[in-house]
Amino acid sequence: QVQLVESGGGVVQPGRSLRLSCAASGFAFSTYVIHWVRQAPGKGLEWVSLISVDGRKKYYADSVKGRFTVSRDNSKNMFFLQMHSLRPDDTAVYYCSKGGDGYSDAFDIWGQGTMVTVSS
Amino acid sequence: QSLLTQTPSVSGTPGQRVTISCYGSYSNIGGNTVNWYQQLPGTAPKLLIYSINQRPSGVPGRFSGSKSGTSASLAISGLQSEDEAVYYCATWDDSLNGVVFGGGTKLTVL
Repeated sequence: QVQLVESGGGVVQPGRSLRLSCAASGFAFSTYVIHWVRQAPGKGLEWVSLISVDGRKKYYADSVKGRFTVSRDNSKNMFFLQMHSLRPDDTAVYYCSKGGDGYSDAFDIWGQGTMVTVSS
Repeated sequence: QSLLTQTPSVSGTPGQRVTISCYGSYSNIGGNTVNWYQQLPGTAPKLLIYSINQRPSGVPGRFSGSKSGTSASLAISGLQSEDEAVYYCATWDDSLNGVVFGGGTKLTVL
């Protein structure tokens, strides 16, 4: 079964760090671009980051640049989002999603999401 | 404020045809393919249309996509109650070097 499963969400104080994980199964993980997308409560979708197939190229939304770092471990079919200096406006459900082999390809598989709440 | 503009809401009656539009610019829609996602209440988004007008396996033929210049459209014909959801357009932006989503359009089936 093709699926992505996120984990690592929770409640964290402003300024602290959190690492999200995304476990892939049922497809050749190492051959696809992987994205993180978030959705604040009651709001729309916001793209956060992508990592290339080989992990060498990483792109970030301006809102998280310099604070978030994306990485992948193709040997373990795992994908990570390290978040630092968290702010209340980072509160959202974070989804990992599978792209294609190109950056503009559609996200055809989505995880169920993991909730991150930044609050004191 | 998203770089892709969608009408916040649209409504229709069962059996009707509705169109959802997505307006962008030359740096995003104008030079790239467009994808559409459907998000049912309380669930993760689902890919509905990719590469402007292609349907993934399992998506009914009632859903179709198109693009003209710097705008794209999603059409839903034969509207059904289960189509009630929020629909998002998305594409790559060459200036931002990132993916951009529209603000979403909530479809209500009356």
